[in-house]
Amino acid sequence: EPEVTQTPSHQVTQMGQEVILRCVPISNHLYFYWYRQILGQKVEFLVSFYNNEISEKSEIFDDQFSVERPDGSNFTLKIRSTKLEDSAMYFCASLRSSGANVLTFGAGSRLTVL
Amino acid sequence: QKEVEQDPGPLSVPEGAIVSLNCTYSNSAFQYFMWYRQYSRKGPELLMYTYSSGNKEDGRFTAQVDKSSKYISLFIRDSQPSDSATYLCVPGGNSGYSTLTFGKGTMLLVSP
Repeated sequence: EPEVTQTPSHQVTQMGQEVILRCVPISNHLYFYWYRQILGQKVEFLVSFYNNEISEKSEIFDDQFSVERPDGSNFTLKIRSTKLEDSAMYFCASLRSSGANVLTFGAGSRLTVL
Repeated sequence: QKEVEQDPGPLSVPEGAIVSLNCTYSNSAFQYFMWYRQYSRKGPELLMYTYSSGNKEDGRFTAQVDKSSKYISLFIRDSQPSDSATYLCVPGGNSGYSTLTFGKGTMLLVSP
């Protein structure tokens, strides 16, 4: 069964460092998303991406965050200068087409900021 | 009023029990209703989704939606220890642009 692949599974970084989280969405999917989940809390929406541009973003997704689809397969989330409160699980998700927004999620990348 | 409300649990049941997980939502614009299962430190995994009011069955799982009362249920028959996870009720719209709204989910523990 097709799946969304995320790397790295766990990254530890120092506060202020830049981090790039990578995702390979399902190949024929057109909509891409990043969500995050702080330990013990609910899954929160960060950003959605369609047709090579951001279609929606949340208040969490400030200027420190950016997304990119550098080629036909990868979808990345960059955090320019990490803060302690960025420590969380980051989930990439994708959707084939408009209609029911039933997303397929990856296993997540755990980010630990020290 | 929160958009999605679920009892956080944990709900503890013995193996073989029938489990009922419930959820209420406030936004009548929601059209699709999804149940995701999330194991500890893993990504949400889609269990099933429904569109209209009524029941939808898939193996041991039955999803029930009552749009008039904005009430959603997930029933699990013959529960197994492998069903131990957090169950997330996630209503959604009909566009890829519309974001999903997650509650905290209900933690289920099935003991052997």
